[in-house]
Amino acid sequence: TQLLEQSPQFLSIQEGENLTVYCNSSSVFSSLQWYRQEPGEGPVLLVTVVTGGEVKKLKRLTFQFGDARKDSSLHITAAQPGDTGLYLCAGAGGGSNYKLTFGKGTLLTVNP
Amino acid sequence: SQTIHQWPATLVQPVGSPLSLECTVEGTSNPNLYWYRQAAGRGLQLLFYSVGIGQISSEVPQNLSASRPQDRQFILSSKKLLLSDSGFYLCAWSLDSGRKQYFGPGTRLTVT
Repeated sequence: TQLLEQSPQFLSIQEGENLTVYCNSSSVFSSLQWYRQEPGEGPVLLVTVVTGGEVKKLKRLTFQFGDARKDSSLHITAAQPGDTGLYLCAGAGGGSNYKLTFGKGTLLTVNP
Repeated sequence: SQTIHQWPATLVQPVGSPLSLECTVEGTSNPNLYWYRQAAGRGLQLLFYSVGIGQISSEVPQNLSASRPQDRQFILSSKKLLLSDSGFYLCAWSLDSGRKQYFGPGTRLTVT
């Protein structure tokens, strides 16, 4: 069974601060997805990383896939209240698996 | 563009009553479809997925069932609800091997 551990579980910061959240596993994934979810809504796909060592940027968000494709990180620069939400990572096992394994998420609160 | 709908948005049902949640996708053909449950705003648990009409894979044995009567319609059912069935139910679709999944707005189910 593939498991994804996300840390920290909760993070409360002030507007303008930087932060990094982590997604770790002992298993290798063919790709890693990051989602953001707001209360009462479905998760929204932010990015997919596929290649070991890959770095993708989405405005103030930087996503990195570990060289061994077992871990990933999300770094937010100059956080804003609009970044508040639950950040979920999800790994795909590869092949025709059709399924994602989700971490439990990091709940981020950015205070104005 | 593709859109995914779920209804109802919220539902309060007594223990022992039946359940039917519906999910439909527009703007695409032959999608993979998924039902997840999310407890307490945290990680997602995959319940069922389908790669085609009439094809259902069950991930967690329980008193829920799923059906796919049409290409872009996915239904989650129960004959008799339990208190433990309360949660946030999410439907998702994908077109590839399941790597990029796109979620609907969710249904909040409370069993009383």
